[in-house]
Amino acid sequence: GQNIDQPTEMTATEGAIVQINCTYQTSGFNGLFWYQQHAGEAPTFLSYNVLDGLEEKGRFSSFLSRSKGYSYLLLKELQMKDSASYLCAVGLRTDSWGKLQFGAGTQVVVTP
Amino acid sequence: GAVVSQHPSRVICKSGTSVKIECRSLDFQATTMFWYRQFPKQSLMLMATSNEGSKATYEQGVEKDKFLINHASLTLSTLTVTSAHPEDSSFYICSAKQTNQPQHFGDGTRLSIL
Repeated sequence: GQNIDQPTEMTATEGAIVQINCTYQTSGFNGLFWYQQHAGEAPTFLSYNVLDGLEEKGRFSSFLSRSKGYSYLLLKELQMKDSASYLCAVGLRTDSWGKLQFGAGTQVVVTP
Repeated sequence: GAVVSQHPSRVICKSGTSVKIECRSLDFQATTMFWYRQFPKQSLMLMATSNEGSKATYEQGVEKDKFLINHASLTLSTLTVTSAHPEDSSFYICSAKQTNQPQHFGDGTRLSIL
């Protein structure tokens, strides 16, 4: 089976940096995805890691260690609009259709 | 690119009504579409995987006769909640993807059954 763990909630101030950790245990692995979801809206794709290392995209970076079953999403220069839930999702190698298993999400609250 | 349109965005209807939700990929042909439901403050729960021209694959515990999925073309999938009851009230989200591309989500449909 699959087990994906991430913190429930994190609070940080505007301009700061926040790191959201995600650990996973899966029977198959085909990449680690991060999505952002604002309340009442659908998720939007942020990043994808399939190899170990750091992927940087502007203020957002994502890291993966496959041997440790670990990823993190780093949000820099936090803005108020970054207040949202961040979903870690694992792509399942056993499924050829790109099925994802989602974590419960981390609610990030950015304060002034 | 990678725009997915979902309609309607909100539905309020009486118990026993059947509700159809459409999911369209506007600027790409989707090899696969997925249907999720999400309860407040919970994560996305996959309901079914849909490929064009074939029967949908349902996740364990999801009633296929209750949640009918039709994937008539590479750009359109529909989910019909048949004889909906208050416990079916939820946020339903579709996603679509191309081969070797991430899933892109529609804006979701908030379904409220009275």
